[in-house]
Amino acid sequence: EAQVTQNPRYLITVTGKKLTVTCSQNMNHEYMSWYRQDPGLGLRQIYYSMNVEVTDKGDVPEGYKVSRKEKRNFPLILESPSPNQTSLYFCASMVAASSYEQYFGPGTRLTVT
Amino acid sequence: AQSVAQPEDQVNVAEGNPLTVKCTYSVSGNPYLFWYVQYPNRGLQFLLKYITGDNLVKGSYGFEAEFNKSQTSFHLKKPSALVSDSALYFCAVRDIRTNAGKSTFGDGTTLTVKP
Repeated sequence: EAQVTQNPRYLITVTGKKLTVTCSQNMNHEYMSWYRQDPGLGLRQIYYSMNVEVTDKGDVPEGYKVSRKEKRNFPLILESPSPNQTSLYFCASMVAASSYEQYFGPGTRLTVT
Repeated sequence: AQSVAQPEDQVNVAEGNPLTVKCTYSVSGNPYLFWYVQYPNRGLQFLLKYITGDNLVKGSYGFEAEFNKSQTSFHLKKPSALVSDSALYFCAVRDIRTNAGKSTFGDGTTLTVKP
């Protein structure tokens, strides 16, 4: 089944404790992206990657890091999480230069206390 | 800079009535426009898109949207609403010419269809 998976689905952590949210897709898509969803603010793009080893900042990259060492994986790293990073996070992938419709993962709900 | 506005936080309609969810956009180049739907506790699902061609595009679950270049709008429509259409709807835009990787979403519109 074609899908985007994220782990963990739920995470409660404390301020300053480094964490990684994994994202993997099995559709051989070149493009992957991370978003955060906050009430009243819609989805805001954090980082995106047009292909392996190619990443770029979205609208809200502060406090986040990403890497794209393999085509299928695009982990989101919070080196020192803070309470304002409490949010619902979505990973997405798509075929670049073609259909441009994104396939989204199920989401990761992160709480930073 | 590109932007998307969904002027209504909430839209309420009765089952069987037509529905419209509004979206306006701003890009410097030619827009690629999308609608996504999010059901409770789920990820987003693609509904439909406009890239080029016919201004009226049809998508999943009987939804359609009309691209209006002069009004910079891309309103989502359905002739007869179902209770199961109740969900959160997002409009999104990409400017393929200037930055294909950047995707901007609106704040979302909650659609409630009452029996």
